[in-house]
Amino acid sequence: EVQLLESGGDLVQPGGSLRLSCAASGFTFSSYAMSWVRQAPGKGLEWVSAISGSGGTTYHADSVKGRFTISRDNSKNTLYLQMNSLRAEDTAVYYCAKYRTIRRDAFDIWGQGTMVTVSS
Amino acid sequence: AIQLTQSPSSLSASVGDRVTITCRASQGISSALAWYQQKPGKPPKLLIYDASSLESGVPSRFSGSGSGTDFTLTISSLQPEDFATYYCQQFNSYPFTFGQGTRLDIK
Repeated sequence: EVQLLESGGDLVQPGGSLRLSCAASGFTFSSYAMSWVRQAPGKGLEWVSAISGSGGTTYHADSVKGRFTISRDNSKNTLYLQMNSLRAEDTAVYYCAKYRTIRRDAFDIWGQGTMVTVSS
Repeated sequence: AIQLTQSPSSLSASVGDRVTITCRASQGISSALAWYQQKPGKPPKLLIYDASSLESGVPSRFSGSGSGTDFTLTISSLQPEDFATYYCQQFNSYPFTFGQGTRLDIK
């Protein structure tokens, strides 16, 4: 069964850091680009970051550029999101998502999400 | 960044109704559009990719159409389990933006 399991969400103070992890199973992890998507409480979905299958190419939303870094360890089938200089507006459920194909045409598999709360 | 505008933002309908949700892109995106369904406390579920291709396992009452800037998601006959929030997302260019969502409620 194809599965994604996020972890690492927590309560953190403004200006703090956090690293999220997403453990993948049931598919050839290194063959697929991956993304992080977040959803603030009661709000819509916001694409955050993406990374190629090899890890050599990354993309970030302007709202997190320079503060968040997406990475992956294909030997561990794990995706990461390093979050620095956190702000109250980063409070959200963070989902990892798998691209459906190498064409990057949709997210077909999503994790259950991990909650990040930024508050003093 | 490409902006996606969904309409309506909310919609009330009854079981058996035919429902259409629209997604308009701020610039042409060919057919690089997906539709998702999300229920409270759950991650989104992929319904449609490439604007009109039905994801495996999704009921055939869901259909998508459009290309360029104007897209629609149609549910031909609403079922009780279809009451949820629906999002479109473009995959033409990064950032892969989402529409603001359409909440579908029971009338």
